[in-house]
Amino acid sequence: DQQVKQNSPSLSVQEGRISILNCDYTNSMFDYFLWYKKYPAEGPTFLISISSIKDKNEDGRFTVFLNKSAKHLSLHIVPSQPGDSAVYFCAASVFGEKLTFGTGTRLTIIP
Amino acid sequence: EAGVTQSPTHLIKTRGQQATLRCSPISGHTSVYWYQQALGLGLQFLLWYDEGEERNRGNFPPRFSGRQFPNYSSELNVNALELEDSALYLCASSRRQGEAYNEQFFGPGTRLTVL
Repeated sequence: DQQVKQNSPSLSVQEGRISILNCDYTNSMFDYFLWYKKYPAEGPTFLISISSIKDKNEDGRFTVFLNKSAKHLSLHIVPSQPGDSAVYFCAASVFGEKLTFGTGTRLTIIP
Repeated sequence: EAGVTQSPTHLIKTRGQQATLRCSPISGHTSVYWYQQALGLGLQFLLWYDEGEERNRGNFPPRFSGRQFPNYSSELNVNALELEDSALYLCASSRRQGEAYNEQFFGPGTRLTVL
C-alpha cells in the first residue's frame, strides 16, 4: 500500500523556468510533509517542509504548497538551475515519527 | 555543525554473514532512524531509536536489529545476510521525540553488497 505517491517518474524543465513536482498521499493522519533532494549513492538532502496547519511555505527558490482536501502537495522551484537536476522525494510523517517516502521524481534541468 | 556520519562507506559481505553499520547523529539530536534503499526501490523505513529505546520498526524481518548508545549514536545489525539485503542503508537524525514537525537529516549512507 503506497501511502505517498509521486506519479511522475521524470520531469524535464528548461533552465530559468519553473519546475513543479507533485505528490499525493492517502493517509489523512499525516501532519508533516517534507521534500528531499537526492543524488545517486548519497543521502537525501532536506529542502523544505510544511505542517498540516499551513498551506504554503517558502524558502528562497523553493515553495511547497499543501492542499489537504485533495491530499496533494507540490514543490515549486523558481527559477530552475542546472544544479537542481536530481531525484526529488516527498515524504510524510505523523507527529514527527518515521518518514514515509514517495517513489521519487527525476528532475532534469536543460541548459 | 557536523552532519550525520555513517561508517563504513562500503561493506562487502557474503551470504549468511553478519553486517554492522554505524551512525552518529547531529549533536543535540536524540532520535536516530534507519532506512533502506534497495536498487530500483524507494526509501523504506527500518528502525527508529530515541533516548536509547526502539520506538518503531518497519516491515523487516527480525534479522534486522539495532541499538542506540548513551551518546545517541546507533548501530544497525543485519544477521544471516541474504542477497536481497544489498542496498544503500541510510541513517537520519532529528531532535527529540515529542516535538512535532521534526526534520530528519540524513547521512551519506553505507552501501552494503552481499555476494
